[in-house]
Parts: sequence; C-alpha cells; structure tokens
Amino acid sequence: SYVLTQPPSMSVAPGQTASIACGGSNIGGYAVHWYQQKPGQAPVLVVYEDNARPSGIPERFSGSNFGNTATLTINRVEAGDEADYYCQVWNSGSSQAVFGGGTKLTVL
Amino acid sequence: EVQLEESGGGLVQPGGSLRLSCVASGFTFSYYEYSWVRQAQGKGLEWVSYISSSGFTAHYADSVRGRFTMSRDNAKNSVYLQMDNLGADDMAIYYCARHTESGSLGSDFWGRGTPVTVAP
Repeated sequence: SYVLTQPPSMSVAPGQTASIACGGSNIGGYAVHWYQQKPGQAPVLVVYEDNARPSGIPERFSGSNFGNTATLTINRVEAGDEADYYCQVWNSGSSQAVFGGGTKLTVL
Repeated sequence: EVQLEESGGGLVQPGGSLRLSCVASGFTFSYYEYSWVRQAQGKGLEWVSYISSSGFTAHYADSVRGRFTMSRDNAKNSVYLQMDNLGADDMAIYYCARHTESGSLGSDFWGRGTPVTVAP
C-alpha cells in the first residue's frame, strides 16, 4: 500500500516560515491535499491539488509537489497556525485515500 | 452555508453493529462524492470509505472491507455507514467529508464528527 511520511512535529517562531514535508514514492505524480486540524475540531482543507487554495484560506498558505516530496509552506507564521497538518492523496491504483501521519506545528 | 452533520455514534459491544448517518445541507448533495474518515483518540486521520455521486461505486480501507458498507440516499441528502462486527480498533470519531468537484478527491467540507466507542 502507498505510504505518506511526515515529520511528527516541528516548531517555528512567529513571523518565520514553516515548511512541512510529505514524502511518498513519486508523489509528484499525485494530486496532494493538505488539511489543518486544531484540537477538538474537524480538519480544514488549506491546500488542494498541490498548490491551490480554497476560498477563505490566507495567501500565506501555499504548496508544492515534485519528485518524492510535497511541501506545505506557511509564510509569516501566526500563533493561530498552531495545529496538526495532514497531507493526503488518492491512490487510484488501489482506489483508496491515503493520509500522512500528521505533523504537529508548534508556534514558539 | 454548506453543512454536514453526522449522527448515530455511541457505545456498542465488541462484535456489535452501528449505522452512522450524515445529512447535508446548503448545496446540491447529489453532485458530489463523499468519504468517511475516522480518528482514534490522539491518533491521525484514517480514511475509511468512499462513495460515488451515483452511489453505484464504493471503496473501502483494507481494515474495514467486508465489515463496513457505505451507501447514500440522494433524495434524503444523506450518506450512511453501516458498521458490523465492530472491534476495539474501530473506536474513533467518524467524520463525513465532501469531495471537491474537481475529481482529485480532496475533501473541502467536513462534519463535526460522531464518536464511536466499542466496549463490553
């Protein structure tokens, strides 16, 4: 089965840039989606199809996807960005969705 | 306003069954595909099942195939998850999620979830 690998945690100071990686075999060939989940809340889509932003998501959130790594980038990090972030793809070969293990972002 | 509201969770004994429901409002329900996604306490997101807009096609995670059945009723703006032979590993919050129109199967709207507890 297809596996997506994320770092369990990372920390960043306010105003700095956070880059959250999602590794997978030839992930550049998949459409990658990113979700933000705060404690006690449902996930929220922040980037879809590698680098598109849903309505209402700040421009500070962006994505890229090439080779074996997709990346969610959050510019000018704010305290409110502290959350768990998950990457996700649809594996058409197995007809299953796959989530990464999640990255807990701490804002120092 | 787009809304998804899950219900039907609760306490069930090992080996028991539950039927989850998710009712949608604020958009044309029948146009979209849906998934159920679960999250055990303190753990990450796990995709459970998917259903096509027509309801003719459903896909399942290996961990639930043969025990769970996803269905939909477009007349009632609802999707369902029939869960049989439940075990401790099925204990989680279950979210209903709408897939985007683009077909890439990201999920742009989620319900608040319904908790499932499996215990004697």
